[in-house]
Amino acid sequence: AQKITQTQPGMFVQEKEAVTLDCTYDTSDPSYGLFWYKQPSSGEMIFLIYQGSYDQQNATEGRYSLNFQKARKSANLVISASQLGDSAMYFCAMRVNTNAGKSTFGDGTTLTVKP
Amino acid sequence: EAGVAQSPRYKIIEKRQSVAFWCNPISGHATLYWYQQILGQGPKLLIQFQNNGVVDDSQLPKDRFSAERLKGVDSTLKIQPAKLEDSAVYLCASSPLRQGANTGELFFGEGSRLTVL
Repeated sequence: AQKITQTQPGMFVQEKEAVTLDCTYDTSDPSYGLFWYKQPSSGEMIFLIYQGSYDQQNATEGRYSLNFQKARKSANLVISASQLGDSAMYFCAMRVNTNAGKSTFGDGTTLTVKP
Repeated sequence: EAGVAQSPRYKIIEKRQSVAFWCNPISGHATLYWYQQILGQGPKLLIQFQNNGVVDDSQLPKDRFSAERLKGVDSTLKIQPAKLEDSAVYLCASSPLRQGANTGELFFGEGSRLTVL
């Protein structure tokens, strides 16, 4: 079975500073993908970034980067230069490639950016 | 490109009543998912379709929940009879088949918020 753990229910960050949201995962499958999604108060889930289990380099997408440490089974999201619009719920998810694409989500971290 | 469409956005019902939610995925997406998101928690997969076949429904409470995806396009999720603990947001998502550079990310609708009184 696959499991995602996000240990930070809530995080605060000052505007323009960087913040790291933690995510650890558990799977016995060697081939998987890790995802981060943002859910603003409006409710729609927005895809942010993807890391494949065989990717050698950490993924980056604009101000988002994924700190992938395979041996530790962690996939932390780093947001640089935080903006007020980054205030939202953030979910880490895993998709195992051998399981017809089933995606498992963590319970999320609420990020609040302070002006 | 049109996104994932869901309706209704909001629904309030009494316990033991029935409710149905509709989802139209992005055109061409073979895989469709229904997730239940209880307030303060992450989405929990209820059922996954690939085309019009069920891939995974292991967490669907089959005594009260049912879902179908006729013709492999849009889908309906039904709850009958509803319980208080069914109050949640029901998210529909779709994705294309994984191939090439496709990461397998999910594309979500805005969700249907259900309140059971």
